[in-house]
Amino acid sequence: QVQLVQSGGGVVQPGRSLRLSCLASRFMFGHHYMHWVRQAPGKGLEWVAAISHDGGTADYADSVKGRFTISRDNVKKTLFLQMTGVRGEDSAVYYCARDRGGVSFDSWGQGVLVTVSS
Amino acid sequence: SYVLAQPPSVSVAPGETARITCDGEDIGSQGVHWFQQKAGQAPVAVIFYDGDRPSEIPDRLSGSKSGNTATLTISRVEAGDEADYFCQVYDNTNNYRVFGGGTKLTVL
Repeated sequence: QVQLVQSGGGVVQPGRSLRLSCLASRFMFGHHYMHWVRQAPGKGLEWVAAISHDGGTADYADSVKGRFTISRDNVKKTLFLQMTGVRGEDSAVYYCARDRGGVSFDSWGQGVLVTVSS
Repeated sequence: SYVLAQPPSVSVAPGETARITCDGEDIGSQGVHWFQQKAGQAPVAVIFYDGDRPSEIPDRLSGSKSGNTATLTISRVEAGDEADYFCQVYDNTNNYRVFGGGTKLTVL
């Protein structure tokens, strides 16, 4: 059974940086696109970023483009989200998710809460 | 940007059938995927590509599409089906994955 274990959430001041991690196991990590999806408190799901299986291609939602960077280490089977210049509207639970068919998601991490507050 | 519209809430009695809709321009040409999210938990995929159900999902849940509307149908609703449900498509004009706003299913 696919396992995605996340870490790195917490409280961060506006304008500062934070890095989220997602450790994958029980599947061939290097064969799959991966994603970050977030959910603001009491709100719906918002896709944030995607990265190709080899890390060569990344796509971002307009809301985070230029501020967030998705990356991966296929040797360590870990996905990252580097968040810089964070804003209040970035406060959310962040989920990592495994790609399905290039269009959707078939497995999700447990989620980590990021709170942007001074 | 692509927009998917869902009703905010649907209520149904146990044993009845719940239908949750997802409206989007040109949704007929898109594969529609559905996710169930119970309170405090991560989402779980329940339907892929309009109507394909993962093996672990009970056959009481089914998906369909007609014109610009996709529908998630839950038959013989149980208390355990109470959750938020989100539809999702791939916007291939900009490589975005787009979610609907979500529908809260309440079992009366």
